[in-house]
Amino acid sequence: QKEVEQNSGPLSVPEGAIASLNCTYSDRGSQSFFWYRQYSGKSPELIMSIYSNGDKEDGRFTAQLNKASQYVSLLIRDSQPSDSATYLCAVNVGASKIIFGSGTRLSIRP
Amino acid sequence: EAGVVQSPRYKIIEKKQPVAFWCNPISGHNTLYWYLQNLGQGPELLIRYENEEAVDDSQLPKDRFSAERLKGVDSTLKIQPAELGDSAVYLCASSPDGTTDYEQYFGPGTRLTVT
Repeated sequence: QKEVEQNSGPLSVPEGAIASLNCTYSDRGSQSFFWYRQYSGKSPELIMSIYSNGDKEDGRFTAQLNKASQYVSLLIRDSQPSDSATYLCAVNVGASKIIFGSGTRLSIRP
Repeated sequence: EAGVVQSPRYKIIEKKQPVAFWCNPISGHNTLYWYLQNLGQGPELLIRYENEEAVDDSQLPKDRFSAERLKGVDSTLKIQPAELGDSAVYLCASSPDGTTDYEQYFGPGTRLTVT
C-alpha cells in the first residue's frame, strides 16, 4: 500500500527560529508533492507545491525534495505564533490522485 | 475568486438516519473530490469526479454511501443509513482543469456527528 509518513509531533519551536517538517513517501513514481497547513477546526490550505529535486522558496517557506531518498521537507523561517497548525504532506500516486500523511502538529512558543 | 462552497457546515443526526452534503467547486474546476477526515488523520479520498464521471470511487463504501455530480458542477454526497463510525469531517476539494499538477483546493468541510 502506498504511504506517506510524517512524525505526528507536536514539534515545539521558539518564535523566530526555523521549523523543519519532514515527510517520506513510498511510491517511487510520485512526481508531485504538496504541503498543506490546517488550523484546528479548519480545512487544509495549500501552501507549497514542488515537482523537481531541490529547493523551492516562497516567502518564509522553503520546500525541499529528494526523490532518490523519497523525502520531502518544509522549512519555515522566522517562525511566528500564527504558524502553529498541523502541516499535512501530500503526494500524488496516479492521475489526479494524491494521498495525505497524518500531519505534524507544530507549536510556536513565544 | 470564490472558493469551494460546502453546506451544511455542521450536522448532527441519529444513527440509521440519512444525511446529505452539498459541494460547489471553484468556477472552472472540472475535477471534484470528496474526502473524509477523522481527528488526527489526513484526508482520505472517497470519490473523485472528472466532470460528471466518477473516475475513482474505490474507497467509497457503496453499501451506504452514494454520490452524484449532475451537469459536472455541484456534487452531493449521501449516507444512508448513517452509523456511529461515520462521525467525521467531510471535505470537498476541486482542482483546475488542464493541469497535471494535482493542486487541490478545499472547502470548509461538513462536520458530521452521528449519535
